[in-house]
Amino acid sequence: AQKITQTQPGMFVQEKEAVTLDCTYDTSDPSYGLFWYKQPSSGEMIFLIYQGSYDQQNATEGRYSLNFQKARKSANLVISASQLGDSAMYFCAMRDFIPGGTSYGKLTFGQGTILTVHP
Amino acid sequence: DTGVSQDPRHKITKRGQNVTFRCDPISEHNRLYWYRQTLGQGPEFLTYFQNEAQLEKSRLLSDRFSAERPKGSFSTLEIQRTEQGDSAMYLCASSLGRAGTSGSKPSNEQFFGPGTRLTVL
Repeated sequence: AQKITQTQPGMFVQEKEAVTLDCTYDTSDPSYGLFWYKQPSSGEMIFLIYQGSYDQQNATEGRYSLNFQKARKSANLVISASQLGDSAMYFCAMRDFIPGGTSYGKLTFGQGTILTVHP
Repeated sequence: DTGVSQDPRHKITKRGQNVTFRCDPISEHNRLYWYRQTLGQGPEFLTYFQNEAQLEKSRLLSDRFSAERPKGSFSTLEIQRTEQGDSAMYLCASSLGRAGTSGSKPSNEQFFGPGTRLTVL
């Protein structure tokens, strides 16, 4: 079974500073995908960034980067130059994989980290 | 707007009543997922469709829950004889499905709808 652990219930950061949100995972599958989603107070889930287990380089998307350490089974999200609009709940998730060439793709989510950006 | 839509956005019902939610995925997406999210927690997988076929159901999906996707487009989630423990946000997501490993790009990310918040009194 897959498991995602986010150990930081809440994080605070000063505007324009960088912040790292932790995520560790557990799986026995050799092939998997890791996602980060942002959930503002309005409730919608917004996709931020994806890292595949075979990707050689860490994923980056604008101010978001993923610090992927496969041996440690960690996939931390780094947000650079924090903005007030970054205040939200952040979820790390892992995608299910069925051997045989077809990914069913259901996501297993962590507990989330509430990020608060101070001006 | 061509995103995932859900209806209704909010539903208040009394214990014991039946409720039905609808999800309209992004039109070209063949995969559709239902998740449930309780306050302060991450979403939990309920069920998954590829086109009209329901391929996986979570143990969370008790006999009181049923989901359909009759024509491979929109989906409905029905809860019969609601209980207070059913109060949650019900999220629908859709994605393109293709064979291949999960460990390489493209991501085939799931696009989420705004959710239906259910309150059972």
